[in-house]
Amino acid sequence: AQRVTQPEKLLSVFKGAPVELKCNYSYSGSPELFWYVQYSRQRLQLLLRHISRESIKGFTADLNKGETSFHLKKPFAQEEDSAMYYCALSGQGYSTLTFGKGTMLLVSP
Amino acid sequence: DAGITQSPRYKITETGRQVTLMCHQTWSHSYMFWYRQDLGHGLRLIYYSAAADITDKGEVPDGYVVSRSKTENFPLTLESATRSQTSVYFCASSDDRDGYTFGSGTRLTVV
Repeated sequence: AQRVTQPEKLLSVFKGAPVELKCNYSYSGSPELFWYVQYSRQRLQLLLRHISRESIKGFTADLNKGETSFHLKKPFAQEEDSAMYYCALSGQGYSTLTFGKGTMLLVSP
Repeated sequence: DAGITQSPRYKITETGRQVTLMCHQTWSHSYMFWYRQDLGHGLRLIYYSAAADITDKGEVPDGYVVSRSKTENFPLTLESATRSQTSVYFCASSDDRDGYTFGSGTRLTVV
């Protein structure tokens, strides 16, 4: 079975502070990991995926297979980063996405 | 960004009534999905479809029915709505493993 754990329901930081949203997963094979973002009352949007190794809106995430983690990081938070962030996992072959419960990021001025 | 649309955006219905949520995509994506979003639970998969006429259960399928007679449409029906089905419902589509594209959601309230 595949599982995604986001241990923090809420993360509150000040503008300009570093941000790290934690994500741990459980999967026996080689997973695909994703981060989705949902701004207030809007649709979920793909933020980044580990295979592309891109940096989107200053966010990066590295897949650590040893620690089974895919933490999302940004060196300097902005107020517009305030949103709900979901980590998600897809198993080998095509399978459905399993989501974590989400972390609400609040960036204060 | 009207590639995947959901209707209605908001719906209030009474307990015991049947209600159908619509989802339409214009990309001819093979895969379509229905999730419900609830505080404390995140997103949970209700049903998904790999192609027309192929559907499968997700994590929380009880009380829901889906069909997929055409590739572009994937309606979700609540046969007899219950208060526990009050939620925000998201439809998504995908053509491969590179992530999903989500609709804007339907906020359903069962009274």
